[in-house]
Amino acid sequence: AQRVTQPEKLLSVFKGAPVELKCNYSYSGSPELFWYVQYSRQRLQLLLRHISRESIKGFTADLNKGETSFHLKKPFAQEEDSAMYYCALRDNTDKLIFGTGTRLQVFP
Amino acid sequence: NAGVTQTPKFRILKIGQSMTLQCTQDMNHNYMYWYRQDPGMGLKLIYYSVGAGITDKGEVPNGYNVSRSTTEDFPLRLELAAPSQTSVYFCASSYTDNEQFFGPGTRLTVL
Repeated sequence: AQRVTQPEKLLSVFKGAPVELKCNYSYSGSPELFWYVQYSRQRLQLLLRHISRESIKGFTADLNKGETSFHLKKPFAQEEDSAMYYCALRDNTDKLIFGTGTRLQVFP
Repeated sequence: NAGVTQTPKFRILKIGQSMTLQCTQDMNHNYMYWYRQDPGMGLKLIYYSVGAGITDKGEVPNGYNVSRSTTEDFPLRLELAAPSQTSVYFCASSYTDNEQFFGPGTRLTVL
C-alpha cells in the first residue's frame, strides 16, 4: 500500500534549536516526495521536492530509500517557521498522498 | 492573477441540504483537485480532473459530484449533506503533474 506517515502531530522547539520533522513512506518503485507548508492564515504551498535537492528557507530534506524516509531538517529554527508541515508522495497514478501533518511551534 | 479562488469561505448546512463549492483558477492549469481536510487526518483527495470534460474519483468520492466544463472552473457538489461531510475543503490546480497550487479553503459544517 502507498502511504505517508508523519508520526508527530506537534513539535515544539526554541528559536535557534535544530528541527527535524519526520516523514516515512511506503511505496514500491521510485518515489517522488514533497514537503508542503501552511503558515497561519495562508494557503498550503509547496516548500520543497526531493528531485530538486534544494534548500528553501534553510530547510532541506534528503530521500533515504533504505529507511524509506524523507525527513525535513533545519539547523536553526526561526519563529517564522511556525506552521503546519505536510509530507506528500506522488503515487503511481500521479496523485499526491498526504501525511497527517506536523505542527511546528518555534518559541522565542 | 488571483491563482485559485474558492467560494464560499464558510457555510453551515442542515442535514439533507445541497450546495456547490466553487473553485476557479486563472493560471490555465489543466489539472484540478478537490481535497477534504479533517482534524488529524491530513488531506484526502475527493475528485480530480486532468482537463475540461474529464473527471475521476479520488480516495473519498462518496457523497460528492464534480464537473469540469471549462479549464478554469471545477465545482464540487454535495447533494444530500451529512454530518460526516463537515470538513475543510481545498481546491488545487497544477500544470500537468507539477506543483499543486491551493485555494484558501471552504469550512463547511453540517448540522
